[in-house]
Amino acid sequence: GESVGLHLPTLSVQEGDNSIINCAYSNSASDYFIWYKQESGKGPQFIIDIRSNMDKRQGQRVTVLLNKTVKHLSLQIAATQPGDSAVYFCAEGINDYKLSFGAGTTVTVRA
Amino acid sequence: DSGVTQTPKHLITATGQRVTLRCSPRSGDLSVYWYQQSLDQGLQFLIQYYNGEERAKGNILERFSAQQFPDLHSELNLSSLELGDSALYFCASSGGGRSYNEQFFGPGTRLTVL
Repeated sequence: GESVGLHLPTLSVQEGDNSIINCAYSNSASDYFIWYKQESGKGPQFIIDIRSNMDKRQGQRVTVLLNKTVKHLSLQIAATQPGDSAVYFCAEGINDYKLSFGAGTTVTVRA
Repeated sequence: DSGVTQTPKHLITATGQRVTLRCSPRSGDLSVYWYQQSLDQGLQFLIQYYNGEERAKGNILERFSAQQFPDLHSELNLSSLELGDSALYFCASSGGGRSYNEQFFGPGTRLTVL
């Protein structure tokens, strides 16, 4: 089975609220993680990444948290907007040359 | 627009046939990655090329092959096609050769095998 997975396949959030998307991984040797966003009909788009030697990293309206103790990764989106509606994937760096993607969480923003 | 182009956008073919998917990376990017996205398997890494040479292999079937040309564009060849090969095929590019370098994905080629 896959070593990277998301807790929930779908997430519905009210516009303006904060969103939290979760991801569990099983390979403790992974040293980096990346979040991607895929809008309908498009290819995945890089959002933010984090190395295993970090616990938190912030970007524009997004924050990624890494808890290595429980092998958990989360993506927080502040003030969710309609344009945030998409499928979100976490990806795990198995080695320097490969990424393993989780199944994805579909986020729907309610107006 | 990521700067990565893929052709064709859609491809419909029959079982047993062979097809070629094409990818042009962003200007200046040396790495090209191929991914397959299907409903049951999700997004799967297939293969990576860096500056013309194979760098990493993922879950790529023996019926599939790829290459990267001197002008850095890449082609993914799929042969003896089966119904289960129907999927979206994405190409991504990055400037460096490591998968943690930010990858820019193309719009994909939707392959339908009938």
